[in-house]
Amino acid sequence: EAGVTQSPTHLIKTRGQQATLRCSPISGHTSVYWYQQALGLGLQFLLWYDEGEERNRGNFPPRFSGRQFPNYSSELNVNALELEDSALYLCASSYQQGGNEKLFFGSGTQLSVL
Amino acid sequence: QKEVEQNSGPLSVPEGAIASLNCTYSDRGSQSFFWYRQYSGKSPELIMFIYSNGDKEDGRFTAQLNKASQYVSLLIRDSQPSDSATYLCAVNTNAGKSTFGDGTTLTVKP
Repeated sequence: EAGVTQSPTHLIKTRGQQATLRCSPISGHTSVYWYQQALGLGLQFLLWYDEGEERNRGNFPPRFSGRQFPNYSSELNVNALELEDSALYLCASSYQQGGNEKLFFGSGTQLSVL
Repeated sequence: QKEVEQNSGPLSVPEGAIASLNCTYSDRGSQSFFWYRQYSGKSPELIMFIYSNGDKEDGRFTAQLNKASQYVSLLIRDSQPSDSATYLCAVNTNAGKSTFGDGTTLTVKP
């Protein structure tokens, strides 16, 4: 069974540009979560999508946005990139809801903003 | 106060010893509790979950939950060098969001 896949592995952008990160969940998983992990820091919750809808959002500015497609894959967009957006962006998927979600993570996209 | 707090570490134990990792959380409405292991340069991997007060054992790992004290722990028995990693405590509410602690880095010395 294929795991969660993310692309690209690495992304280099300059300040002010836009970045698009992609995620394909495990087959059968309908929920996709996005997390930011800055160097040496913990995972910060960004967004949760389920059945094509945004279900919850973390404390990030509106320039962080995303969507989930009918095949449950997801896209994270970061507009007007800032230097502090440099981080590892992790996507996770799950098949349970109601507070018992077990997360299965992809390998992440390392975003560097120069 | 952080929603989920872990011992800052690093924690170093000799091979064969018991490693004890601790986590406290602030939201009394939290329903489920998870431990993820993250090797350096890799993504987190779920190793244990617990929903009810008490202990839950899986091989060398034991998760302990005390909702009254808002405390969850992970014990690793017979620690091996391959257990060296950062351990992340995660807490879920019914909002479907997993809130993570900053992690405790464990080093098991041969």
